[in-house]
Amino acid sequence: DSGVTQTPKHLITATGQRVTLRCSPRSGDLSVYWYQQSLDQGLQFLIQYYNGEERAKGNILERFSAQQFPDLHSELNLSSLELGDSALYFCASSSTTSSYEQYFGPGTRLTVT
Amino acid sequence: QQQVKQSPQSLIVQKGGISIINCAYENTAFDYFPWYQQFPGKGPALLIAIRPDVSEKKEGRFTISFNKSAKQFSLHIMDSQPGDSATYFCAARSLLWGGGADGLTFGKGTHLIIQP
Repeated sequence: DSGVTQTPKHLITATGQRVTLRCSPRSGDLSVYWYQQSLDQGLQFLIQYYNGEERAKGNILERFSAQQFPDLHSELNLSSLELGDSALYFCASSSTTSSYEQYFGPGTRLTVT
Repeated sequence: QQQVKQSPQSLIVQKGGISIINCAYENTAFDYFPWYQQFPGKGPALLIAIRPDVSEKKEGRFTISFNKSAKQFSLHIMDSQPGDSATYFCAARSLLWGGGADGLTFGKGTHLIIQP
């Protein structure tokens, strides 16, 4: 168990809808990363937050956004969902913005029908 | 430039044998190279990692070999066991301007099966 928690575990929704995925980092970790894992694209970095501020952006679509709250939990918002957004979404955390080790949560499986 | 190329896609090894997975990268700004192990239905778990100032790192049955000039690194699993059957991902990370770290760039993964 990495200490990173994610909810919900599974999410099924329809095209055009909006969903929110939640992540709680390991105790004491200030940095949160979001990744998407799909069969065709593999594991891709989406976005990083550090202590409430956005620090780095990867291949995140404009329909997606994230935030990190004062209690350090983070939410990933996915809107105008398309079939191709079906994937596993992972959150990872690390102690500082430049820490080497990132610890992954169990993921949220999103299915868009 | 951000790609990490991983091979093979799948690998079958007999119990007790050596499993070898290779990765290559182009971006010379990468400064940290972890390997992750992922079981079905689980998140990736950090297995072992290396920085480019050393050529080899060993932790138990797992060894990373790093060749900076060739921009290649590999994972060796000695005495492979059926419990090692999983998907393995190599990854790399670069530091951003100002000292922050970018997200990890992952290889496509290797599905490893250890036959009893």
